[in-house]
Amino acid sequence: EDQVTQSPEALRLQEGESSSLNCSYTVSGLRGLFWYRQDPGKGPEFLFTLYSAGEEKEKERLKATLTKKESFLHITAPKPEDSATYLCAVQAPWSGGSNYKLTFGKGTLLTVNP
Amino acid sequence: NAGVTQTPKFQVLKTGQSMTLQCAQDMNHNSMYWYRQDPGMGLRLIYYSASEGTTDKGEVPNGYNVSRLNKREFSLRLESAAPSQTSVYFCASSEWGHSNQPQHFGDGTRLSIL
Repeated sequence: EDQVTQSPEALRLQEGESSSLNCSYTVSGLRGLFWYRQDPGKGPEFLFTLYSAGEEKEKERLKATLTKKESFLHITAPKPEDSATYLCAVQAPWSGGSNYKLTFGKGTLLTVNP
Repeated sequence: NAGVTQTPKFQVLKTGQSMTLQCAQDMNHNSMYWYRQDPGMGLRLIYYSASEGTTDKGEVPNGYNVSRLNKREFSLRLESAAPSQTSVYFCASSEWGHSNQPQHFGDGTRLSIL
């Protein structure tokens, strides 16, 4: 069974204090790893897709990396507006055939204080 | 540029009542999905539609039915609501379910069953 574990569950940072969120996964046939941001009362907003180990993607203060067992979301000099829940999901074959399934982690709640 | 639109945003039902949640996307996507999000758990797939005219069960389909009305619209029906179905429901769409393109989410329907 595919599993995705995110840590920590919650993280408080001061503005400008860089840190990393972790997403470890166990999956057969990884097709892609996705990072989403979710604000309170909103749906998940797509950030990045990583396809293979060694790949990196960047967007403003966020940088996502991927190894064979985990992904990191690095946040450099965060601002209060970066406060949100960050979700990780892995896509892998499911029920055979050409169907693929997303398995989500429980998320990391990031709070950035001014 | 609406993306994925869900209605209603909030609903309170009594046990045993029925209800249909509506979802429409304007991105010309072929695949659509229904998820539920509960506290302390990752998003879980209820049903999906790989393409217009097809629907399949996800991880937690019991108590739900779906209809892919056309390429744009995918509805979720609770025939006899139960308190265990109290949750936030998200609709998502992607270009193709068998590709590794990201899913895009609506802002959810918050459903309480009394």
